Amino acid sequence: AQTVTQSQPEMSVQEAETVTLSCTYDTSESDYYLFWYKQPPSRQMILVIRQEAYKQQNATENRFSVNFQKAAKSFSLKISDSQLGDAAMYFCAAMDSNYQLIWGAGTKLIIKP
Amino acid sequence: NAGVTQTPKFRILKIGQSMTLQCTQDMNHNYMYWYRQDPGMGLKLIYYSVGAGITDKGEVPNGYNVSRSTTEDFPLRLELAAPSQTSVYFCASGYTSTYEQYFGPGTRLTVT
Repeated sequence: AQTVTQSQPEMSVQEAETVTLSCTYDTSESDYYLFWYKQPPSRQMILVIRQEAYKQQNATENRFSVNFQKAAKSFSLKISDSQLGDAAMYFCAAMDSNYQLIWGAGTKLIIKP
Repeated sequence: NAGVTQTPKFRILKIGQSMTLQCTQDMNHNYMYWYRQDPGMGLKLIYYSVGAGITDKGEVPNGYNVSRSTTEDFPLRLELAAPSQTSVYFCASGYTSTYEQYFGPGTRLTVT
């Protein structure tokens, strides 16, 4: 069965600095999609970034970028110039062949002012 | 364009009661999903639908039922509520072409 592992229950970073959240996954699929979602205290799930496994280029969205290592099955999220509004739970998710998302347990990101 | 809407936002049920959580999307997405999120955990898939009239079980379907009579609506039915069903429930929808899922605001359900 496909699994997604986030090994950091909690991370903290100083405002304006850079932080990297880790995610590893296990899949037997050759083509798949990976996602990072953000869940602020409002509990709304917000898509941060998406990576298609067949694309070698790492996805970027403004201050958010990923380091996708397909052979290592690693999909980390880098947040540059951290802002107070980035404080949230961050979930890594992988799409399986049935179009279902398999979710990690989440990483709580704390931003220190 | 409201996206994905869910009602109610909060609900308290007594053990053995039943209720329906409503979910509607106005993006003409073919895929719809129901998840539950227990405290401090990620999301677990309850049921999903690939189109009107088609539903299938996810990881944790016991105690729940769904139907999909229209593209827009995907209600989740809880029969004989149990304390183990205390959770936050999220509805989501998406296209197969992008595989992104768009989430509703969630329903916090407490069963006592």
